[in-house]
Amino acid sequence: SQQGEEDPQALSIQEGENATMNCSYKTSINNLQWYRQNSGRGLVHLILIRSNEREKHSGRLRVTLDTSKKSSSLLITASRAADTASYFCATSATDSWGKLQFGAGTQVVVTP
Amino acid sequence: NAGVTQTPKFQVLKTGQSMTLQCAQDMNHEYMSWYRQDPGMGLRLIHYSVGAGITDQGEVPNGYNVSRSTTEDFPLRLLSAAPSQTSVYFCASREGGHTGELFFGEGSRLTVL
Repeated sequence: SQQGEEDPQALSIQEGENATMNCSYKTSINNLQWYRQNSGRGLVHLILIRSNEREKHSGRLRVTLDTSKKSSSLLITASRAADTASYFCATSATDSWGKLQFGAGTQVVVTP
Repeated sequence: NAGVTQTPKFQVLKTGQSMTLQCAQDMNHEYMSWYRQDPGMGLRLIHYSVGAGITDQGEVPNGYNVSRSTTEDFPLRLLSAAPSQTSVYFCASREGGHTGELFFGEGSRLTVL
């Protein structure tokens, strides 16, 4: 079973717009991570937020975490065509000894 | 550094055949894992290893075997391929401990006829 569930499943925006995607999970976590996957490639780590953190920034990425609602959001500001990819959240549950469980992903298309 | 290297990139098997997907990492990572990715289902953990000589099952281990004789290598064996094992397989590694980012290979696309 998937620990993380992303929403929406797909997102289509224009360059310059912001893209927001959400992730909900079911159990207590040590941390939550976001990954990007370009078509036909492996996943690339974007950002990790620990359970005691509420917000984190990395370049044009902003991640929030609400452990009371068991949810996280990833915001990509000023999107570029190169941001076209699938984005996955992954959770490290407190009772899973570091095993990461991935959601089904959000497919983002950024048109020039 | 090459990172995580998977071979082969593509493979077609007939039902009942066996094969091994190779995974090697040059980052001296203690933790290695195998995932499969199917449309609409994200990545599901097959097997993982926290160090040489230690392996354990993930979410979907049936039909797969692993071994970890060295820190660098973590091969995944399909014992008797079935069409349900058609998927894209990813090997990933990270440093030891309970948490941290995973480094992924480029994937191995397997089709079982």
